[in-house]
Amino acid sequence: GAGVSQSPRYKVAKRGQDVALRCDPISGHVSLFWYQQALGQGPEFLTYFQNEAQLDKSGLPSDRFFAERPEGSVSTLKIQRTQQEDSAVYLCASSFRQGDRYEQYFGPGTRLTVT
Amino acid sequence: AQKVTQAQTEISVVEKEDVTLDCVYETRDTTYYLFWYKQPPSGELVFLIRRNSFDEQNEISGRYSWNFQKSTSSFNFTITASQVVDSAVYFCALSVSKLGHGGSQGNLIFGKGTKLSVKP
Repeated sequence: GAGVSQSPRYKVAKRGQDVALRCDPISGHVSLFWYQQALGQGPEFLTYFQNEAQLDKSGLPSDRFFAERPEGSVSTLKIQRTQQEDSAVYLCASSFRQGDRYEQYFGPGTRLTVT
Repeated sequence: AQKVTQAQTEISVVEKEDVTLDCVYETRDTTYYLFWYKQPPSGELVFLIRRNSFDEQNEISGRYSWNFQKSTSSFNFTITASQVVDSAVYFCALSVSKLGHGGSQGNLIFGKGTKLSVKP
């Protein structure tokens, strides 16, 4: 079956531009997570959705970051007025159910480069 | 606070050697889950295993085995008879039960990863 897909795979933005990153989770998966992975580091949690509800956004680094999942399926991570420190790989993951016992399935990520 | 430490940044072995990747975690929670993920050059994280805090039984899956020891807060991963296809970055991760925070949500706390290179 289809896995988690993300688009675009690569994005180059000039500093100050807005970007939108898309995630298509596995069909039927309730939980959706966004992570940010800097070069040479492990992924770091950004935000969490259960269906369409954003239950935790404690990892978003600033108010320039915004995420939504309006119909409980596709999610978009938007970064406004991009800065060089936003350069990273943004990973989306989904899980069949809510809860810490369920493994997450990751997409290939979007590599964002801010110049 | 929760934390995962993977002290080995890079490991290089020759094919058919056994290799162990170390993982040490910190948490005050009594209920938690530990994971290992593999990240090949393509970038997609691949789930390998999950263990819960109440089950210290070691597990073997083919050439892979995991040693979970609560006494030392470690969850080490061993690859037996390594192969070139095992070359990747391996991440250990921790998930804790955030009860009362909209239920247990399961976001993962990752270590910095260990890059394994298996040479022919």
